[in-house]
Amino acid sequence: DAKTTQPNSMESNEEEPVHLPCNHSTISGTDYIHWYRQLPSQGPEYVIHGLTSNVNNRMASLAIAEDRKSSTLILHRATLRDAAVYYCILRDRRGGSNYKLTFGKGTLLTVNP
Amino acid sequence: EAGVTQFPSHSVIEKGQTVTLRCDPISGHDNLYWYRRVMGKEIKFLLHFVKESKQDESGMPNNRFLAERTGGTYSTLKVQPAELEDSGVYFCASSHSGHGTGIYNEQFFGPGTRLTVL
Repeated sequence: DAKTTQPNSMESNEEEPVHLPCNHSTISGTDYIHWYRQLPSQGPEYVIHGLTSNVNNRMASLAIAEDRKSSTLILHRATLRDAAVYYCILRDRRGGSNYKLTFGKGTLLTVNP
Repeated sequence: EAGVTQFPSHSVIEKGQTVTLRCDPISGHDNLYWYRRVMGKEIKFLLHFVKESKQDESGMPNNRFLAERTGGTYSTLKVQPAELEDSGVYFCASSHSGHGTGIYNEQFFGPGTRLTVL
């Protein structure tokens, strides 16, 4: 699996936007970019995914660079509940053994009240 | 709709004993996955079921681990005999297959089972 690089930690203030970066310079043309997060004492949860175009859903936005070598997860207004570890994961759309999620260390997001 | 449930939430056993973890996926989800996080490490994939068949078991650490999914519903993960290094949190996840786009479909995770081997 192609690897991703994320900052170990980031800090934000409540109700401010948060931009979580992810580098994936070796991404292949068949890789989707997925984001999951893990709240304290819970299992991971899906946030968003995309291929080439920017994506929005009720939780967040995903901005993908034109060359696809990096992406940014955007939380428009951070809340205390958004404090979690955020994982940027590449998944090959060709399936097979690529159904699995390969977690890295992720970014620990702290949200200050 | 009920989410993915796992039982027990915690288990403390002695080295050499047997433990069986259970996962109930979301109803109708054909795909079921097991992952684990051992102390200080990243979450690692163990295996993937499609219905009752093992699609990918490349992450199973050794033959002390046995996963089953009889009837394609709930799954069990048995560790026999347990060793100290098996301590960690075991997560189960499920996803819908749906129209051949299963690779894209989000995985729904359970809360995990914390296993402590003494």
